[in-house]
Amino acid sequence: AQTVTQSQPEMSVQEAETVTLSCTYDTSESNYYLFWYKQPPSRQMILVIRQEAYKQQNATENRFSVNFQKAAKSFSLKISDSQLGDTAMYFCAFMNRGSGSSNTGKLIFGQGTTLQVKP
Amino acid sequence: KAGVTQTPRYLIKTRGQQVTLSCSPISGHRSVSWYQQTPGQGLQFLFEYFSETQRNKGNFPGRFSGRQFSNSRSEMNVSTLELGDSALYLCASSLVPTDTQYFGPGTRLTVL
Repeated sequence: AQTVTQSQPEMSVQEAETVTLSCTYDTSESNYYLFWYKQPPSRQMILVIRQEAYKQQNATENRFSVNFQKAAKSFSLKISDSQLGDTAMYFCAFMNRGSGSSNTGKLIFGQGTTLQVKP
Repeated sequence: KAGVTQTPRYLIKTRGQQVTLSCSPISGHRSVSWYQQTPGQGLQFLFEYFSETQRNKGNFPGRFSGRQFSNSRSEMNVSTLELGDSALYLCASSLVPTDTQYFGPGTRLTVL
């Protein structure tokens, strides 16, 4: 069974600084996606970034980038130039894309990291 | 494109009642997944529908059920509500089951 672990329950960062959130996962599958979602106080779950397992290049979306270490099963999120609007809970999630009915449409989430951006 | 919509946004029910939640996916998306979010258990997968068929189910009792209509809209039903069913219920849609999921705003269910 796949598991996702976020070991940092809470973090804080000063506005304009850089912060890295950690995530590790466990799987024996080879075809999968990894995601970071953010959930601000409004509780709306928002996609931040996606990484495809077979791509060696780390995904980047504006100020957000990942460090994907496939062999170590590590998937960290770096937020550069932090903004007050980045304050949210961040979830790391895994999706198996292999064939088989037990894989479909299911995201496995970590417990989340609450990030506070301070002015 | 309009995002995923969920109705109602808030619900208050009493123990023993039943409730139906609705989810309209992004236009063109045919897969809908449901999740329960609680402070204690985090985000847990309930079930997933694609082409009107339940293709995957999480570890929840039979009181939790769902369906999907031909226009891809989905409903989930919880019967005989218990206090522990109080949660945020999130719906997500994707083009196909193994694609990126986009979430709705959620339905906050409170069971008294």
